[in-house]
Amino acid sequence: GAGVSQSPSNKVTEKGKDVELRCDPISGHTALYWYRQSLGQGLEFLIYFQGNSAPDKSGLPSDRFSAERTGGSVSTLTIQRTQQEDSAVYLCASVRLGGYTFGSGTRLTVV
Amino acid sequence: DAKTTQPPSMDCAEGRAANLPCNHSTISGNEYVYWYRQIHSQGPQYIIHGLKNNETNEMASLIITEDRKSSTLILPHATLRDTAVYYCIAFRTRDDKIIFGKGTRLHILP
Repeated sequence: GAGVSQSPSNKVTEKGKDVELRCDPISGHTALYWYRQSLGQGLEFLIYFQGNSAPDKSGLPSDRFSAERTGGSVSTLTIQRTQQEDSAVYLCASVRLGGYTFGSGTRLTVV
Repeated sequence: DAKTTQPPSMDCAEGRAANLPCNHSTISGNEYVYWYRQIHSQGPQYIIHGLKNNETNEMASLIITEDRKSSTLILPHATLRDTAVYYCIAFRTRDDKIIFGKGTRLHILP
């Protein structure tokens, strides 16, 4: 596709439920990032995939968070047993030759 | 940690030039300076980038000091639609992990 696609655009879930957020990067982009942005806050790095290398998971806030990237393309961010502090916009970006393209994000609300 | 520092907020009158500073005193010789902005509820949008020379495109100009320790993003004729958070970041290649700072919240005043 022409851009980075994220789904769903909005997700409301009950506390304690698991959620999956999807990112479809631009075809051919080898690197993919997940960021989180809480209301009024800056962008918080979560995880980074680069080619076939082991992902950099250093930004994941807890073991309830995990992410995978299948076939070097689509990525899924999974949050288990969601908490209210997980409410934020989750942004995905794909990268090629230094150009970063962001998706529109998934707004997650935990009630 | 972010490699760049920016003022948390700035005001600019509509129609005037907005000059947004960024310090990157620890930048290495092969790291680029990139600027993005994020308008409320949208994903960050690329604005401009540079290495050593000043750059200009249809959106903005980027002035990088000779020692490369700081830069300024210039929006020549700011409009209300330029109200956003502006992020200055430094990285080398696509292999680098981007760490965003808190950016500068630019308010355009009518």
